[in-house]
Amino acid sequence: QVQLQESGPGLVKPSENLSLTCTVSGGSISSYYWSWIRQPPGKGLEWIGYIYYTGSTNYNPSLKSRVSISVDTSKNQFSVKLSSVTAADTAVYYCARGDSGYYYGMDVWGQGTTVTVSS
Amino acid sequence: DIQMTQSPSSLSASVGDRVTITCRASQSITSYLNWYQQKRGKAPKLLIYAASSLQSGVPSRFSGSGSGTDFTLTISSLQPEDFATYYCQQTYTTPWTFGQGTKVEIK
Repeated sequence: QVQLQESGPGLVKPSENLSLTCTVSGGSISSYYWSWIRQPPGKGLEWIGYIYYTGSTNYNPSLKSRVSISVDTSKNQFSVKLSSVTAADTAVYYCARGDSGYYYGMDVWGQGTTVTVSS
Repeated sequence: DIQMTQSPSSLSASVGDRVTITCRASQSITSYLNWYQQKRGKAPKLLIYAASSLQSGVPSRFSGSGSGTDFTLTISSLQPEDFATYYCQQTYTTPWTFGQGTKVEIK
């Protein structure tokens, strides 16, 4: 079955850029909406944005000026970049697959990767 | 942004109890409402999509209902493995937004 795996640095310095990659295995990246979601320690879920396999993107306006999501269909990967990070960006970051047939419900998730912003 | 408000924020229940969680949207989202279960230290799991459709592999004791602005998630007979935090999410329009979560604890 389809599995997602996040990868990237666990520690980022304030004002630097956060970059994470999600590798899709066991299936194709085509025909789905690929999202990034984050969860600060002890808090709820925040949708960061998605990329459709064609490259079309949609971002949360709360992060829009700092976030970009890209896809590499040849590698079955998609990535997120968040610029100028602060301590408020410390969170567990998840990648997930959204299916329009499920009203965009996210039916496959990565295990999550913890990112800490600290000097 | 569409605000999603869940109630209660937490509840205590016993094994075998019927549990109902409510989610209210700040405007109509028709049936674009999903429910997730998250256990401690784990990724969320999709339980219900399109307000009332049971995701494959999810036990039938979970059910969802509602449309427009008011939705419910019901667990007909709470099992030990159901103690977790539950989130609703609207995908009617971006930014997709989640409720604040409802923590279901053992009584």
